[in-house]
Amino acid sequence: EVQLVESGGGLVQPGRSLRLSCAASGFTFENYAMHWIRQVPGKGLEWVSGVNWNGDSVAYADSVKGRFTISRDNAKNSLFLQMNSLRVEDMALYYCVKATRSAVAGYYYFDYWGQGILVTVSS
Amino acid sequence: DIQLTQSPSSLSASIGDRVTITCRASQRISNHLNWYQQKPGKAPNILIYAASSLQSGVPSRFSATGSGTDFSLTISNLRPEDFATYYCQQTFETPPTTTFPTFGQGTKVEVK
Repeated sequence: EVQLVESGGGLVQPGRSLRLSCAASGFTFENYAMHWIRQVPGKGLEWVSGVNWNGDSVAYADSVKGRFTISRDNAKNSLFLQMNSLRVEDMALYYCVKATRSAVAGYYYFDYWGQGILVTVSS
Repeated sequence: DIQLTQSPSSLSASIGDRVTITCRASQRISNHLNWYQQKPGKAPNILIYAASSLQSGVPSRFSATGSGTDFSLTISNLRPEDFATYYCQQTFETPPTTTFPTFGQGTKVEVK
């Protein structure tokens, strides 16, 4: 059974840092790209960042570029999101998400999501 | 960035109804369009990938179609567990690239 368990969230003041972690199990972690997606409670989904299978290619939403850093440790089946210079608008539920490609034609989609971890940014 | 516009934003329906949600992309994305269902307090769940392919384990009352810029998701014979919010998502150019996997704003399917 695929499991993605986020940790590291909590209350932080604006301008401070937080590091999210995601422990993955139930699949060969090193074979798949991974992403962080966030959602303000009651609002829609916003893609935050993604990393390819070996960590040498990453991408960020414009809203977090330069402040957030995604990384992974395949030996520990773990995904991370280092969040610096946090803003009130970063307050959201952050999901760790596994990506996959379909067997036919390689269509890309997100097939497993963690339960999310809440990040609250407030003074 | 590729924008996705869903309509309606919400709809009211009854058990047994057939409902259709549409998603329009700001540029052509072939059939790189996915649909997710999200229930309150839960993470989203993939329903449809590649515009019309049903994810394993998803009931056959869910179907979808479309290509290019116009897509739709249909739920036939609406069941109580289908009341949820539905999101479309494009993965035309998957990261890490210059185009991000954007989501539509969501459509909430509520009980009439």
